[in-house]
Amino acid sequence: GQNIDQPTEMTATEGAIVQINCTYQTSGFNGLFWYQQHAGEAPTFLSYNVLDGLEEKGRFSSFLSRSKGYSYLLLKELQMKDSASYLCAVMDSNYQLIWGAGTKLIIKP
Amino acid sequence: GAVVSQHPSWVICKSGTSVKIECRSLDFQATTMFWYRQFPKQSLMLMATSNEGSKATYEQGVEKDKFLINHASLTLSTLTVTSAHPEDSSFYICSARGGHDTEAFFGQGTRLTVV
Repeated sequence: GQNIDQPTEMTATEGAIVQINCTYQTSGFNGLFWYQQHAGEAPTFLSYNVLDGLEEKGRFSSFLSRSKGYSYLLLKELQMKDSASYLCAVMDSNYQLIWGAGTKLIIKP
Repeated sequence: GAVVSQHPSWVICKSGTSVKIECRSLDFQATTMFWYRQFPKQSLMLMATSNEGSKATYEQGVEKDKFLINHASLTLSTLTVTSAHPEDSSFYICSARGGHDTEAFFGQGTRLTVV
């Protein structure tokens, strides 16, 4: 079966760095996405990785290792507004998105 | 990023009535649109995938006759919840993408409450 694993909840301090991991087992691979979702709102796109390596976009970076079925989202200089759920999703061989359950990130002052 | 507009943002309806939710891609042609529902504190659950001009593909357990999806143009898809019941109360979200290997952009979501 297809499976996406990410931690349920993480806590970090304002100004610090946090890494949210995602491991996957899917039928084929056509890219991995990270989305941010604030409570009560729709998800917003953060990043897309299809090749191995690190993609940096401001305070957010995303890493992919296809051989290990592993990705992480790195958030630097954390701000209170970064408190949200972070969803990992993999596009399988049929171009369908398989979603993780999301990681709730709590930022403390 | 591209803009996907979903309407209405929230709706309250009586049990037994039908509700239509619209999803529009405003600045790109959406070859594929997805409809999700999300219960509180849970992840997105894909309901169906629709390609412009063809019938939607529903996920297992989703009733086709209850959740009618129409994707008549490259910029508009609609989800109609027919004969709504309180258990249909949920957050419904659409997303759209222009091609197979591009990211999907989400609408704002519609909070449906059936009373």
